[in-house]
Amino acid sequence: ETGVTQTPRHLVMGMTNKKSLKCEQHLGHNAMYWYKQSAKKPLELMFVYSLEERVENNSVPSRFSPECPNSSHLFLHLHTLQPEDSALYLCASSSPRGPGMNTEAFFGQGTRLTVV
Amino acid sequence: AQSVTQLDSQVPVFEEAPVELRCNYSSSVSVYLFWYVQYPNQGLQLLLKYLSGSTLVKGINGFEAEFNKSQTSFHLRKPSVHISDTAEYFCAVSDMYGGSQGNLIFGKGTKLSVKP
Repeated sequence: ETGVTQTPRHLVMGMTNKKSLKCEQHLGHNAMYWYKQSAKKPLELMFVYSLEERVENNSVPSRFSPECPNSSHLFLHLHTLQPEDSALYLCASSSPRGPGMNTEAFFGQGTRLTVV
Repeated sequence: AQSVTQLDSQVPVFEEAPVELRCNYSSSVSVYLFWYVQYPNQGLQLLLKYLSGSTLVKGINGFEAEFNKSQTSFHLRKPSVHISDTAEYFCAVSDMYGGSQGNLIFGKGTKLSVKP
């Protein structure tokens, strides 16, 4: 148990559906991340929230929409996805950054998404 | 920008044999280095990290890694593996100065398969 909880663990959705992934952490961190893990590709950073503000968007398609209502919760809203979006979506959190303050990221167990 | 190369996508090894998983990185600035492990259907768990100080870092489950700045490497080693070490291992780097908000850049992963 890393202290980062993701729900659901598994999700099957059609291309016309709308669904949301949820991530919750109670570690006192205030940076949260969404990563995508596909077969045969490196872990891809999708979104970063630091102090509840989105600070990076790595050109992720608009069919993925993040939301961070507070420092403990992070959502990923999904709509009109494609089969190639099937992957393991991982949430992570970490402590505030600053010189000498780097810490590792703590990961949730992921949501296995299948788009049919 | 940073990048990480894990030279071996798969490493098969017999139980109780030693193992080394290779990781090389490139960066124009100083970095922090991490090894994560991912068991089947799980998220990522931190094995060990190098922030500063001794270049030989010891982690959980009997793993250790050595930071070699001149060779820009951070290879992971274990003197005697167990069946339970079967998993995928990821090397990651992070900008020491927080230039990317602490984002982790991951290698493609190495699948360690321990055979009886």
